[in-house]
Amino acid sequence: GAGVSQSPSNKVTEKGKDVELRCDPISGHTALYWYRQRLGQGLEFLIYFQGNSAPDKSGLPSDRFSAERTGESVSTLTIQRTQQEDSAVYLCASRLTGHYGYTFGSGTRLTVV
Amino acid sequence: KQEVTQIPAALSVPEGENLVLNCSFTDSAIYNLQWFRQDPGKGLTSLLLIQSSQREQTSGRLNASLDKSSGRSTLYIAASQPGDSATYLCAVRGGSNYKLTFGKGTLLTVNP
Repeated sequence: GAGVSQSPSNKVTEKGKDVELRCDPISGHTALYWYRQRLGQGLEFLIYFQGNSAPDKSGLPSDRFSAERTGESVSTLTIQRTQQEDSAVYLCASRLTGHYGYTFGSGTRLTVV
Repeated sequence: KQEVTQIPAALSVPEGENLVLNCSFTDSAIYNLQWFRQDPGKGLTSLLLIQSSQREQTSGRLNASLDKSSGRSTLYIAASQPGDSATYLCAVRGGSNYKLTFGKGTLLTVNP
């Protein structure tokens, strides 16, 4: 596609429920990143995928968070047993290997009530 | 650990003014630095990217400079317009990794 697509754009969930966020990167972009932006905070790195290599999960805040990506296609970020502190905008970005610029999606605004 | 600081946190100016946004980073071993714009409820739009070997980049009314040795970058906006109102984010990519470390941003309001 022309840009990075994320869905849903907004999600309200009850505390304790699981949620799944989706990111559809630009076609051909092998690198994919998830970031979290909590209110009043900078973007925090969560996870990085590069082609078929093992992902860098070093930014995931707890074992309730997981992400998957098959090859160079769609990625899903799953948060289990959501907590109120998980409320944030979750942003996905993709990058063409060998290039420098990152293209971000519009994000998913998650609200845990 | 890389830390990125942006000053000021918020800025309000009248239309037509030239302005400067500041970004500083603690580890000078960076690969590149990128300035983004974020509109409310929207994702990030890349404005300018400066490689570590470069000193500045220009795009239209925007000019970004980089002084790697002192750990500083500035974003200069000429002849500001109300449409420039947004949050401006500075991000650095480390020399040995691919992650971006972001500042908290500067919220710019340009008043008509």
